[in-house]
Amino acid sequence: AQSVSQHNHHVILSEAASLELGCNYSYGGTVNLFWYVQYPGQHLQLLLKYFSGDPLVKGIKGFEAEFIKSKFSFNLRKPSVQWSDTAEYFCAVIAPAGNKLTFGGGTRVLVKP
Amino acid sequence: EPEVTQTPSHQVTQMGQEVILRCVPISNHLYFYWYRQILGQKVEFLVSFYNNEISEKSEIFDDQFSVERPDGSNFTLKIRSTKLEDSAMYFCASRGTARDTQYFGPGTRLTVL
Repeated sequence: AQSVSQHNHHVILSEAASLELGCNYSYGGTVNLFWYVQYPGQHLQLLLKYFSGDPLVKGIKGFEAEFIKSKFSFNLRKPSVQWSDTAEYFCAVIAPAGNKLTFGGGTRVLVKP
Repeated sequence: EPEVTQTPSHQVTQMGQEVILRCVPISNHLYFYWYRQILGQKVEFLVSFYNNEISEKSEIFDDQFSVERPDGSNFTLKIRSTKLEDSAMYFCASRGTARDTQYFGPGTRLTVL
């Protein structure tokens, strides 16, 4: 079955550490890729998206993601995290010719001050 | 900044009762969605709605579920006869065009007793 996988369920790190969250998908063809974030008590917000063009995508709050087509991956990175990055991060995909989001399982990130 | 709103934030109901979850999408958006997240599980797609009709629905969206856009601003999800397994967070989302982002509401937590 077509799916989206996030490798880590929980990540704990200290402020100023670098963050990388993995995301792999199993769809063939042209996909649209997203990272959403859910801060404690808040709704899902878009961090960044990839539709086409430069595979290195920059988003809000210093986040970036790299689309590697050959690896079916769209990993999220931030060079130096802050305590305020504590949240749950969701990778999501829109399949070719589709319009619904298919989500990964989410990664809870805890940044210790 | 315009946002998607949802009411109520929490709904507790008895098994077998009908519930209606309400959403007000962003005003000029054309595509509307419901997703849900059962505790500890992935966010999963329920249904999409465009041009006053369902454009896609998942296997979860059976005859117990229905959606409506009754007045041009609200978008509702009705569950006719709730089951224990319907307990989840229900998210509404909307987007403007085919290449636009889906914007999510804060969710309604439904608890079926």
